[in-house]
Amino acid sequence: NAGVTQTPKFRVLKTGQSMTLLCAQDMNHEYMYWYRQDPGMGLRLIHYSVGEGTTAKGEVPDGYNVSRLKKQNFLLGLESAAPSQTSVYFCASSYVGSLGDTQYFGPGTRLTVL
Amino acid sequence: GDSVTQMEGPVTLSEEAFLTINCTYTATGYPSLFWYVQYPGEGLQLLLKATKADDKGSNKGFEATYRKETTSFHLEKGSVQVSDSAVYFCALSDLTDSSYKLIFGSGTRLLVRP
Repeated sequence: NAGVTQTPKFRVLKTGQSMTLLCAQDMNHEYMYWYRQDPGMGLRLIHYSVGEGTTAKGEVPDGYNVSRLKKQNFLLGLESAAPSQTSVYFCASSYVGSLGDTQYFGPGTRLTVL
Repeated sequence: GDSVTQMEGPVTLSEEAFLTINCTYTATGYPSLFWYVQYPGEGLQLLLKATKADDKGSNKGFEATYRKETTSFHLEKGSVQVSDSAVYFCALSDLTDSSYKLIFGSGTRLLVRP
């Protein structure tokens, strides 16, 4: 039982390049989330999904796209990377997304955009 | 909108000292409250939670009580260890746009010295 895994762990991009971050969970959770973590700002929600085939915008969705083709996977895409997207990205999942539901986090991807 | 405010860090303590990290919140509904911990180089993991007023969450010697009258959820531990050095995030879960989402504070770094 690996929990939530993320690939890659580190990545350096040049401005304008594209990439996809992969998140996978093996807990059969319905809800999945992508956050970014910036110094002094806590975690901010980028996009989330309430089930296979669904996606929705979070607090800071601009410049990102997501897809949830399979229940266990949630992909985050950057079509044209910008230096402002330099951050640590965390994926999380939860069972049903209810009020007291616990979110389980992956280890993070550190992205630098030059 | 909903928000979480935490005391700024870093908090530096000697081993066996008493710890308090303050957290207050604003919410339109009746949120659940959480403390997550992030150890160096890792993702966030749930430390404790409380889902209704006057509930006390506890885990690994840490405690926090959901105080609706003061809108607070302060984290305490009677005797900290070097291994408690980490970043601690207070968070609330509330219903927004038809689904429950976590809103995080900015995090408080704790450094425990031997």
